[in-house]
Amino acid sequence: EIVLTQSPATLSLSPGERATLSCRASQSVSSYLAWYQQKSGQAPRLLIYDASNRATDIPARFSGSGSGTDFTLTISGLEPEDFAVYYCQQRSNWPVTFGGGTKVEIK
Amino acid sequence: EVQLVESGGGLVQPGRSLRLSCAASGFTFNDYAMHWVRQTPGKGLEWVSGISWNSGTIGYGDSVKGRFTISRDNAKNSLYLQMNSLRAEDTALYYCAKDKYMEVWGKGTTVTVSS
Repeated sequence: EIVLTQSPATLSLSPGERATLSCRASQSVSSYLAWYQQKSGQAPRLLIYDASNRATDIPARFSGSGSGTDFTLTISGLEPEDFAVYYCQQRSNWPVTFGGGTKVEIK
Repeated sequence: EVQLVESGGGLVQPGRSLRLSCAASGFTFNDYAMHWVRQTPGKGLEWVSGISWNSGTIGYGDSVKGRFTISRDNAKNSLYLQMNSLRAEDTALYYCAKDKYMEVWGKGTTVTVSS
């Protein structure tokens, strides 16, 4: 199975700052990678699919990049509602796998 | 409105079985792949199983292979997960999710495996 490693585990930032989250795959997943946001007590929400495409109604401050084994989710200016846990997920090979998550917390 | 509603969770003893259901509405169910994903409190997401639109492709996570069976009934707009030989480590919130990228999720149903 493909292992996804997210870093850092926790990111402490202030509102307005830029957040850069990393996801590394143990083997190439081409561009078959997604990013999800999860807030406490809620189901995950799809942000980015195919590495760089924003899902429906996702603000432009969220962007994704990368291909192969290295991917990045960037939040260009953190809003208060962006403090949450973020997961990457690959669908290149089954079993589908998720990364362990990055928590973006208020500094 | 696109909606997924899970049901069937509960408290079950180790070794017993449980069947989860996911009722879909607001979209053409038989056009989309579907998935089950679980989450233990305070922990990350774990893919449990997925099924293609016509049930032609089915997959399972290693931890449930041989014990869980996914199925769907397109006439009833429903997804199912038959869980046998349940273990304490299967205790989790189980979500169903729509499409190859999980663009819609239900609110989940809680499964607790305990004696």
